[in-house]
Amino acid sequence: DTAVSQTPKYLVTQMGNDKSIKCEQNLGHDTMYWYKQDSKKFLKIMFSYNNKELIINETVPNRFSPKSPDKAHLNLHINSLELGDSAVYFCASSQRPREPYFGPGTRLTVT
Amino acid sequence: AQSVTQPDIHITVSEGASLELRCNYSYGATPYLFWYVQSPGQGLQLLLKYFSGDTLVQGIKGFEAEFKRSQSSFNLRKPSVHWSDAAEYFCAVGPRDDKIIFGKGTRLHILP
Repeated sequence: DTAVSQTPKYLVTQMGNDKSIKCEQNLGHDTMYWYKQDSKKFLKIMFSYNNKELIINETVPNRFSPKSPDKAHLNLHINSLELGDSAVYFCASSQRPREPYFGPGTRLTVT
Repeated sequence: AQSVTQPDIHITVSEGASLELRCNYSYGATPYLFWYVQSPGQGLQLLLKYFSGDTLVQGIKGFEAEFKRSQSSFNLRKPSVHWSDAAEYFCAVGPRDDKIIFGKGTRLHILP
């Protein structure tokens, strides 16, 4: 059974488009995250939700909008995609404040 | 502010040799400390964690790490590496304001 799953695994799109990435966890955790990993492998937190409430909102362009319909799901919607948005996006979950468990990642390529 | 430094961007060791990956942190109190491994094209997998208690922590895949408060370090070790250990390794510290901060990673290369 997959603990943290993300779809899609790969996403190739053109500049200016809008896209969404979905994440689901079946671990019963109360907190979910979005991390961005750039081409140099640097991992940076973007958002965190605890029981559907936004608790971390890093300095991220407002083109990025997370949505948590329930505590098992956290989606990421990106408007007006730019070349610099190309990265691997990881969803993670944890039982706050313990260690996050990561999904397999979504590789976003903007052309 | 909390931070994590992994001084080595790349490390190369021969298969069967011992390994130590360095991690130094800055944190105002006793931190939670983690090591994760990322194989090419994969997500991050937790190797081990330290919350409190015994400062020598055992993890999966034969890894261990030692928390040294006086040196603000949490180095990862393995007595004998295997070719399958080639990967990117991340040290992380937290939480502060609910954030767990990751180091920039160390890429481990294994020579046959």
